[in-house]
Amino acid sequence: NAGVTQTPKFQVLKTGQSMTLQCAQDMNHNSMYWYRQDPGMGLRLIYYSASEGTTDKGEVPNGYNVSRLNKREFSLRLESAAPSQTSVYFCASHRFSGANVLTFGAGSRLTVL
Amino acid sequence: AQSVSQHNHHVILSEAASLELGCNYSYGGTVNLFWYVQYPGQHLQLLLKYFSGDPLVKGIKGFEAEFIKSKFSFNLRKPSVQWSDTAEYFCAVNWGGGNTPLVFGKGTRLSVIA
Repeated sequence: NAGVTQTPKFQVLKTGQSMTLQCAQDMNHNSMYWYRQDPGMGLRLIYYSASEGTTDKGEVPNGYNVSRLNKREFSLRLESAAPSQTSVYFCASHRFSGANVLTFGAGSRLTVL
Repeated sequence: AQSVSQHNHHVILSEAASLELGCNYSYGGTVNLFWYVQYPGQHLQLLLKYFSGDPLVKGIKGFEAEFIKSKFSFNLRKPSVQWSDTAEYFCAVNWGGGNTPLVFGKGTRLSVIA
């Protein structure tokens, strides 16, 4: 049971390049989330998907898009990367939306030059 | 907007000292409360949670937290810290228990020195 798997673990981009962060969970969870973690800022929600087929904006959605490809997979895309998007990105999931315990992936460290 | 405040950015303690990390949340009715821990180089793991019932909850590794509704607080405590408790601690709140995601505080970095 792998839990939540994120790829890639590390990525360096140049300003203006695009990339997609992949996230997959094998726990049959309904809800999936993308957070970014920055020093002194805690975790801030970018987008989430309460169930397959739905996505909603979080606190800091600008510059990102998401796709809930199926129940297992939730990807985060940066169309034109900016240095302000340098961060550690965490994907998380849980079975039902709302009050439930999140399972986190190991994180993806992205640097935009 | 609903928010979570953690009072201490960085706490430095000697081994065996007692720990209390503060967490307050903005008013919004029914809440579910969590503390997560992130050890160096690792992802976040659940330390403890409160949904209802006894306001004093016990978690892993000797941690506990007390929910005080009148103060909108959920402080984390440990009687005697160890070097292995060095980590970043995040308080998180979910309002209403419905389709609302967790909101995290900014975190408190704990450094335990020998």
